[in-house]
Amino acid sequence: QQPVQSPQAVILREGEDAVINCSSSKALYSVHWYRQKHGEAPVFLMILLKGGEQKGHEKISASFNEKKQQSSLYLTASQLSYSGTYFCGTRNAGNNRKLIWGLGTSLAVNP
Amino acid sequence: GAVVSQHPSRVICKSGTSVKIECRSLDFQATTMFWYRQFPKQSLMLMATSNEGSKATYEQGVEKDKFLINHASLTLSTLTVTSAHPEDSSFYICSASSRGGMNTEAFFGQGTRLTVV
Repeated sequence: QQPVQSPQAVILREGEDAVINCSSSKALYSVHWYRQKHGEAPVFLMILLKGGEQKGHEKISASFNEKKQQSSLYLTASQLSYSGTYFCGTRNAGNNRKLIWGLGTSLAVNP
Repeated sequence: GAVVSQHPSRVICKSGTSVKIECRSLDFQATTMFWYRQFPKQSLMLMATSNEGSKATYEQGVEKDKFLINHASLTLSTLTVTSAHPEDSSFYICSASSRGGMNTEAFFGQGTRLTVV
């Protein structure tokens, strides 16, 4: 089942914050966050495995709720380099390590 | 992090010809490789899962005779688009997983922009 990402698109001014959500109707084994710039391959940001987990990567962090059905990606004090499309990929138990991708959230950071 | 090299990055071919795309894991053994297709401004669409030494598992709706996948070694998988048509034009991306478990990240190749004229 494809995870649902929201919002579809975000426009920020440099320095502003954003939150991107990734939801599933069923409990997930893991959630993976990637960022893709136009014409390039996705770049790994982080993986969350445990319910209640929070992880950080510089000014980008993410959480995984206790029920393991929702993850949120937090972008604080956004920089121009944060622009791109953010995808969450989810894994369910027993699906042969196949990632199911959300439709993506387009983020544009303007000066 | 691990490196996955995909080649070529861009290819233009004539309708009716075949195109081969290579995906190599440079510093780890990739037991599983995934091939994706991506249309402009859309998500990654999984085409097939390729396990070393065995036949690829294709997703529903993907023609296995048109998109031939070979995973002959732990470091190389190839996707051949046979008898390409303009509608096959797309961005094709491979990703690879090591022997690790379900919590390992997927390492992506750089992608191949295929244009069929």
